Amino acid sequence: DIQMTQSPSSLSASVGDRVTITCRASQSISFYLNWYQQKPGKAPNLLIYAASSLQSGVPSRFSGSGSGTDFTLTISSLQPEDFATYYCQQSFSTPLTFGGGTKVEIK
Amino acid sequence: QLQLQESGPGLVKPSETLSLTCTVSGGSISSSTYYWGWIRQPPGKGLDWIGTIYYSGTTYYNPSLKSRVTISVDTSKNQFSLKLSSVTAADTAVYYCARLGYRSGWDPFDSWGQGTLVTVSS
Repeated sequence: DIQMTQSPSSLSASVGDRVTITCRASQSISFYLNWYQQKPGKAPNLLIYAASSLQSGVPSRFSGSGSGTDFTLTISSLQPEDFATYYCQQSFSTPLTFGGGTKVEIK
Repeated sequence: QLQLQESGPGLVKPSETLSLTCTVSGGSISSSTYYWGWIRQPPGKGLDWIGTIYYSGTTYYNPSLKSRVTISVDTSKNQFSLKLSSVTAADTAVYYCARLGYRSGWDPFDSWGQGTLVTVSS
């Protein structure tokens, strides 16, 4: 199985801050990396697919980068509605696996 | 607009079988482009992929659950289903159904149901 490790597991930030979340795969997954946002009591919502492609309807302040084993999700200017938990997921091979999540909290 | 809706009992007794159905509306489950999957999330924890099915019936299961999981599809009803046998308290989770595609590799889960909480308790 491909293990996905996210860091940090939580962070505190202020509105307007630039936020970066990292995700590392236990083996190369090329660009098969996706990012989701999940708010309490809601299903995850796809933000970024194929490492750097913005899903339709997602604000441009979200961006993704990386390939191989190391990936990042960046929020260029944190907005109040961005406080949530973020998950990475590899879609290179089954079993499909998710990172443990990063909770973004208000400072 | 595609919608997915999970349904099934919210309480299952230990050692029994958990059964859930996902009803797809606004699109055909028989589309050649898409696969259909189940993901679960224990309370306060992360996401775990359970398995995925194609409309033809081809399935892919998480090896950690494979001995207990069956996913099936009913194209006439535009539904797919999950059965998880011999459940324990560790199977208590919110269960999501979702859509994903496959091109040169797996696509992301781009559409999700709202999720349904299943509690395993006597």
